[in-house]
Amino acid sequence: EMQLVESGGGSVQRGGSLRLSCVASGFTVSSDYMSWVRQAPGKGLEWVSVLYSGGTTYYADSVKGRFTISRHNSNNTLYLQMNSLRLEDTAVYFCARTTVKGFDIWGQGTMVTVSP
Amino acid sequence: DIQMTQSPSTLSASVGDRVTITCRASESISYWLAWYQQRPGKAPKLLIYKASSLESGVPSRFSGSGSGTEFTFTISILQPDDFAVYYCQQYYSYPYSFGQGTKLEIK
Repeated sequence: EMQLVESGGGSVQRGGSLRLSCVASGFTVSSDYMSWVRQAPGKGLEWVSVLYSGGTTYYADSVKGRFTISRHNSNNTLYLQMNSLRLEDTAVYFCARTTVKGFDIWGQGTMVTVSP
Repeated sequence: DIQMTQSPSTLSASVGDRVTITCRASESISYWLAWYQQRPGKAPKLLIYKASSLESGVPSRFSGSGSGTEFTFTISILQPDDFAVYYCQQYYSYPYSFGQGTKLEIK
């Protein structure tokens, strides 16, 4: 069964940093495109970033220059390094496999809370 | 950036009803549109991709149509499990974008 499990969320003060992890099973993250999508409390979904199998990355303007997407092939893990966190970054962060179908496999999400 | 506009924001319906949600893109996205279902506290679930293709394992009462800028999502016969929030999403160009969601609630 193909599965994604996120971790690393928590509470952090404004301006702080956090690294999220997303472990894949049943498929290889380095062979697929992988994205991060977030959802602020009570709000809709917002795409954050994508990492291509070849290494190309794209970011939403709201996180560009502050967040970095990466992967560790031997651990089959996707990461999101989040720096200079802002109050508006508070959200549940999902990792998702990204294919010609859109986002076809999602993790359960990890909550990030940024406090003043 | 491509803006996705979904309507209605809330839809009240009964078990057995047929319901339709509309999604409009601010520019043409061809058929690069997906529909997701999200239940409270859960991750979104892919239902429809490439505007009209049914994801494996998804019941056939769910369907999608459209291309270019106008898309529709239909549930033919509502089941109790279907009351949730539904999102459209374009994956034609970055930044990928979602509609604001349609909450399907029990009448």
